[in-house]
Amino acid sequence: AQKITQTQPGMFVQEKEAVTLDCTYDTSDPSYGLFWYKQPSSGEMIFLIYQGSYDQQNATEGRYSLNFQKARKSANLVISASQLGDSAMYFCAMREGHGSNYQLIWGAGTKLIIKP
Amino acid sequence: KAGVTQTPRYLIKTRGQQVTLSCSPISGHRSVSWYQQTPGQGLQFLFEYFSETQRNKGNFPGRFSGRQFSNSRSEMNVSTLELGDSALYLCASSLGQATNEKLFFGSGTQLSVL
Repeated sequence: AQKITQTQPGMFVQEKEAVTLDCTYDTSDPSYGLFWYKQPSSGEMIFLIYQGSYDQQNATEGRYSLNFQKARKSANLVISASQLGDSAMYFCAMREGHGSNYQLIWGAGTKLIIKP
Repeated sequence: KAGVTQTPRYLIKTRGQQVTLSCSPISGHRSVSWYQQTPGQGLQFLFEYFSETQRNKGNFPGRFSGRQFSNSRSEMNVSTLELGDSALYLCASSLGQATNEKLFFGSGTQLSVL
């Protein structure tokens, strides 16, 4: 079964609009972490934001915020005031495991295209 | 500070050959992890090395192996290449001390197996 689900294979958004990229996850472990990464066409993965399962507040990093709804197992990425440079693949990932024994499990990604 | 460097950027090999990919982490980072990215399977975790020891391992066959040197540089080896090994191989580094650490990725090595 999919542990990380990103239901939007692709999205077109007008420049300067806000964007919400969906991510749902599945785990029975009470301790986990959720990451969002951006992958431009160059291939390099760029860290955007992190949310821990015990964090009380939604994470924010500049124009990026994470809408964390624990009961729904949802961790949607919100990009405010989108820019042309935001066009890229976006991946949601979950850290599973304990201590030093862990790995990241990745979603299939969402291709975001910002239109001028 | 230099980022994560992966070499080579592109590789073309034929079935049955072996290949070695290299990754130089950010200075001071002791953890290096490797991922395989394909259009069909997405991103999959291969293994992680910390202080020259393999600390975590994904679900890949033994043809995929790696090592880490005392300067934290890491190599990944794939033996007896198969067509399905064609992929972008990404390396990521981190301090390796906390599970909420962000990973810093290289630009990857694009491997094509003919």
